[in-house]
Amino acid sequence: DAMVIQNPRYQVTQFGKPVTLSCSQTLNHNVMYWYQQKSSQAPKLLFHYYDKDFNNEADTPDNFQSRRPNTSFCFLDIRSPGLGDAAMYLCATSRYTSGRANSQETQYFGPGTRLLVL
Amino acid sequence: GQQLNQSPQSMFIQEGEDVSMNCTSSSIFNTWLWYKQDPGEGPVLLIALYKAGELTSNGRLTAQFGTTRKDSFLNISASIPSDVGIYFCAGLGGNQFYFGTGTSLTVIP
Repeated sequence: DAMVIQNPRYQVTQFGKPVTLSCSQTLNHNVMYWYQQKSSQAPKLLFHYYDKDFNNEADTPDNFQSRRPNTSFCFLDIRSPGLGDAAMYLCATSRYTSGRANSQETQYFGPGTRLLVL
Repeated sequence: GQQLNQSPQSMFIQEGEDVSMNCTSSSIFNTWLWYKQDPGEGPVLLIALYKAGELTSNGRLTAQFGTTRKDSFLNISASIPSDVGIYFCAGLGGNQFYFGTGTSLTVIP
């Protein structure tokens, strides 16, 4: 089945120690997103890739970076995690077709990675 | 930025009862989506709506795309314990995607 996969499901890191979360997809979608979700809140978009073009949200801290080496994979790097970065991190994908009334289509989410910062 | 307001914020219901929740926006959308998120998991797409006035069902779930294109409704009939979770609406317009604030559903057996 086509899907969005996130590894690991749970990640524990130490304060200030860099951590990388990974996402892969078999949907062949051209857009991949990273969201941060804290308890009882809606997911908050950090950034997205349209093909290889990186699009950062204005309020995403510099501490968060991303890489997309190919269509299938996307990584979230947290350079110096703070206690406030403990959250669920969600990867999503969609297909973007320019020139249509709805250029962006439905987003499909992975199961998430729960990050704990000690 | 754009905010989609969902109501109610939370619901506590008895098993077997029907559930209604809605999502409203100040802007119009071309597509409305409803997701369910179980604890510790990612949101799962339940229903997608593409046309104003459209009514779509998925099992015990029924969702409607409001005729003004600024709102959407989700109904769950004969609730069961596994319906527990947070329900998010989302609106798509052009190249923008916005989440609602979420409705937390608790079903009491």
